[in-house]
Amino acid sequence: DTAVSQTPKYLVTQMGNDKSIKCEQNLGHDTMYWYKQDSKKFLKIMFSYNNKELIINETVPNRFSPKSPDKAHLNLHINSLELGDSAVYFCASSWGLAGGYEQFFGPGTRLTVL
Amino acid sequence: QKEVEQNSGPLSVPEGAIASLNCTYSDRGSQSFFWYRQYSGKSPELIMSIYSNGDKEDGRFTAQLNKASQYVSLLIRDSQPSDSATYLCAVVGNQFYFGTGTSLTVIP
Repeated sequence: DTAVSQTPKYLVTQMGNDKSIKCEQNLGHDTMYWYKQDSKKFLKIMFSYNNKELIINETVPNRFSPKSPDKAHLNLHINSLELGDSAVYFCASSWGLAGGYEQFFGPGTRLTVL
Repeated sequence: QKEVEQNSGPLSVPEGAIASLNCTYSDRGSQSFFWYRQYSGKSPELIMSIYSNGDKEDGRFTAQLNKASQYVSLLIRDSQPSDSATYLCAVVGNQFYFGTGTSLTVIP
């Protein structure tokens, strides 16, 4: 069984469109995250949710809006897509917020904006 | 200054050699340290965690932590071509910070 799953795996779209990426974890974790990994492989945290509450909101454009309907799901909606949004987006989850808990990553969504 | 810095790669070692990956961090209050491995096109996967000063060994992998020097390293003994990947250091204080990664190639 997949622990952290994301859909879609690939997303190719035009500039200006709106798109969503879905994430689900079946590990029973309390905390979920969204990361952006650029072409240089740097993993940058975007958002963190703990029990459906937004905890960390790094400096990302407000075109990005996370939504957590329950603690097993954290979706990412992106409005007015731009070329610079092209990257791999990873969802992750852990037992607690930061602390000593490892994060488990989803397979990633490769977003290409044309 | 970035919160977590890793030695710049890429790093190439011959098969059977020891690969040494280094990481320094800026937050003295950091308490948890992780090494992740990421194969090309895949997601990061945890290979080692370390929480206290000293060495921690797991098979061919040894993590070393020195909080006074704000330094954590990963040694891979008897390197195999299957170890070729990007290695990410993660440091946790009040937040999870990843380094920029070091690309390792093990040459058969």
